[in-house]
Amino acid sequence: QQQVKQSPQSLIVQKGGISIINCAYENTAFDYFPWYQQFPGKGPALLIAIRPDVSEKKEGRFTISFNKSAKQFSLHIMDSQPGDSATYFCAASIYGGSQGNLIFGKGTKLSVKP
Amino acid sequence: GAVVSQHPSRVICKSGTSVKIECRSLDFQATTMFWYRQFPKQSLMLMATSNEGSKATYEQGVEKDKFLINHASLTLSTLTVTSAHPEDSSFYICSARRGGYEQYFGPGTRLTVT
Repeated sequence: QQQVKQSPQSLIVQKGGISIINCAYENTAFDYFPWYQQFPGKGPALLIAIRPDVSEKKEGRFTISFNKSAKQFSLHIMDSQPGDSATYFCAASIYGGSQGNLIFGKGTKLSVKP
Repeated sequence: GAVVSQHPSRVICKSGTSVKIECRSLDFQATTMFWYRQFPKQSLMLMATSNEGSKATYEQGVEKDKFLINHASLTLSTLTVTSAHPEDSSFYICSARRGGYEQYFGPGTRLTVT
């Protein structure tokens, strides 16, 4: 019940296209859903996050869509660029639960072809 | 804002020796810091949660006597790998929580035990 399932494992997109990564969770107590971007040999960087009280959040080219009833959320990267090539992790946590530790998905390796 | 540093970025040590990794939140105070381990092409594995002024909480299967964690101040947590062995070679990443939800990660430390 603590798992966060992420798909696809890898994704190849042409420059200018839309990249879509999906995550699903079981624990309805989760109330914070961030996405992290990680480049090889670097730590993850917080990209964008959403709370369950909204269905969508947009920051620049990055959008999170959240479906509470389906217990799913997704990351959309518009106008994908080669510089977006990285591994993306979704995560979920409970405010105050287990001191707020994140439950991570297994990651999606995105390659954007020029 | 929300910068987390780690030192060193890379360390090579001989089997049987100990190595200390520092994690600092540079521009915010973090009552809670987290230590993760990441194997190649895999997701982040939470090792322990560190609260300022109290003992760390270790995840199941993580040897607390081998991975010593100290959270001496609101901006500094340290991880000491004692009596290191080649199987401890990995990428260690810390994170610091700002406020109720947001976690910011350090750049990681690559440990190689020879």
